[in-house]
Amino acid sequence: ILNVEQSPQSLHVQEGDSTNFTCSFPSSNFYALHWYRWETAKSPEALFVMTLNGDEKKKGRISATLNTKEGYSYLYIKGSQPEDSATYLCARVGNEKLTFGTGTRLTIIP
Amino acid sequence: DSGVTQTPKHLITATGQRVTLRCSPRSGDLSVYWYQQSLDQGLQFLIQYYNGEERAKGNILERFSAQQFPDLHSELNLSSLELGDSALYFCASSGGQGGYYGYTFGSGTRLTVV
Repeated sequence: ILNVEQSPQSLHVQEGDSTNFTCSFPSSNFYALHWYRWETAKSPEALFVMTLNGDEKKKGRISATLNTKEGYSYLYIKGSQPEDSATYLCARVGNEKLTFGTGTRLTIIP
Repeated sequence: DSGVTQTPKHLITATGQRVTLRCSPRSGDLSVYWYQQSLDQGLQFLIQYYNGEERAKGNILERFSAQQFPDLHSELNLSSLELGDSALYFCASSGGQGGYYGYTFGSGTRLTVV
């Protein structure tokens, strides 16, 4: 992996269902992994910053895990709600630069 | 309000012109980052300043320059503007410099070059 990649690009989920998506990144020279939530017409908002292999973070119904050895992170949303509709960005810190993936656009269907 | 202030919110200018985008970081944050988001592209890192000094550079064109002033506000100068420079320019700030803290983003400046 040379760049930060996110999959899927977009996702439609029924309200109440749980979902998850993936961020893959170069594992060399890794310092930290960020997750952001970006609602339309707003600015990105930080969800988590993770640094250690095996880290798990949780904020309400949203949680994230980190595997720095294999270079991936998962974001989980439990019991999706309409307000969860947004683009979720991950970003890798390396050489003091934060490099963003292109995001997973999540749409919750009521 | 995130605490990061960007002005102006919108800017329309002609090709060949020069513009200055301004950013005031969240109170207490020493690092300022500039990102560009063009149509159908992700956030592209331009440049980072920490306490007045340039710390990291991304894909910033030679026609673009930035600085961070003693009061920690930052300006991004874009000159000899081309149509392709039309984009949303975000400023973000953080407390540290190593990326161990989440970034706080401003609401962006939408630049349209006509």
